[in-house]
Amino acid sequence: KQEVTQIPAALSVPEGENLVLNCSFTDSAIYNLQWFRQDPGKGLTSLLLIQSSQREQTSGRLNASLDKSSGRSTLYIAASQPGDSATYLCAVGESGGSNYKLTFGKGTLLTVNP
Amino acid sequence: GAVVSQHPSWVICKSGTSVKIECRSLDFQATTMFWYRQFPKQSLMLMATSNEGSKATYEQGVEKDKFLINHASLTLSTLTVTSAHPEDSSFYICSASEYRFEQYFGPGTRLTVT
Repeated sequence: KQEVTQIPAALSVPEGENLVLNCSFTDSAIYNLQWFRQDPGKGLTSLLLIQSSQREQTSGRLNASLDKSSGRSTLYIAASQPGDSATYLCAVGESGGSNYKLTFGKGTLLTVNP
Repeated sequence: GAVVSQHPSWVICKSGTSVKIECRSLDFQATTMFWYRQFPKQSLMLMATSNEGSKATYEQGVEKDKFLINHASLTLSTLTVTSAHPEDSSFYICSASEYRFEQYFGPGTRLTVT
């Protein structure tokens, strides 16, 4: 059974700092990996999707890497801003029989202080 | 594109009553819909997967007689929590996909059972 772990569980940084969020998974036979953002009491916003054949994806100040063989992914946020404060979720996608299944980590709660 | 809505956004019901949550794909046909549950500070846990016109597939430990899922059309799935109890209070999120390796998430429904 796939297990996804995110470290740290919470992170507080001053505005402008670069930061890294970590995600690890136990079964490397994944189809892809996604990073999501979740604001309090809200749904999910997809940030980056990395296919299993890819090493990284970039969108603006965000860069996500994937090392499938070691079961690790990182989300790098450059020049953090208070508006980046949210919970960041990592999810691995697997081909579960006839359906595609996502397994989520518990998330990292990020607070960026002005 | 790829917008998913949920209704209601929040609901309060009394213990023992049933409550229905709707999930709609607004601009695409969702051949598959997924229902997740999220407890505070926990990850999203997949409850069930439903394909249009077929019975839902429930994850281990999810009571199918308690959580009734109907996916009668390509744009609508419903989750009915029957005989709700306080321990069913949670954040319920649906996602929908038209093609296999993608999921688009709704904004979630906060259920409180008193």
